[in-house]
Amino acid sequence: DAGVIQSPRHEVTEMGQEVTLRCKPISGHNSLFWYRQTMMRGLELLIYFNNNVPIDDSGMPEDRFSAKMPNASFSTLKIQPSEPRDSAVYFCASRRGYTGELFFGEGSRLTVL
Amino acid sequence: DQQVKQNSPSLSVQEGRISILNCDYTNSMFDYFLWYKKYPAEGPTFLISISSIKDKNEDGRFTVFLNKSAKHLSLHIVPSQPGDSAVYFCAASALAQGGSEKLVFGKGTKLTVNP
Repeated sequence: DAGVIQSPRHEVTEMGQEVTLRCKPISGHNSLFWYRQTMMRGLELLIYFNNNVPIDDSGMPEDRFSAKMPNASFSTLKIQPSEPRDSAVYFCASRRGYTGELFFGEGSRLTVL
Repeated sequence: DQQVKQNSPSLSVQEGRISILNCDYTNSMFDYFLWYKKYPAEGPTFLISISSIKDKNEDGRFTVFLNKSAKHLSLHIVPSQPGDSAVYFCAASALAQGGSEKLVFGKGTKLTVNP
């Protein structure tokens, strides 16, 4: 079975550019989460969706960040404009139902120069 | 404001010995706790969990202990193997809006098991 699929795996961009990260959750999973991993803060929850509806976006750092889930099999996390402090590994995770373990993708490593 | 704290960034253990990873939490509403393991360049993978109604859960070489009064949990790995070398994340689950639960993670502890 395919796991959570994220793209791109690596992204290097310059400050001020728009960045779009993509995620395909596991088929049949109805909850989707975006996390960011940094050395200083570990794994931070940015936003999560239940049945394609954003439930809690309190972790989104600022207005430069936005996330969408237009259908059950696709989500995007966009940063516009990007800044060097956004450099991190961004993980997408999904889950069947409203409780229990999350299944993570392999992450998208973002470097903003 | 870290609700889930892993105060040891790293731990080094000899192969065959016990590894003990610790985690503290502040939110008494957390009702479910999980440990994830992460290898470099991979996503975290689920390892073991425990409900707040229990104080111990065992799965092979891995045992998680929960002390609710102290708001503390620990992961024991016995015996430790070199393949256990990874970053271990503690996570806690809290009921959120709409009846769903979100996972809050600690910063992680890097375990190195030396042959």
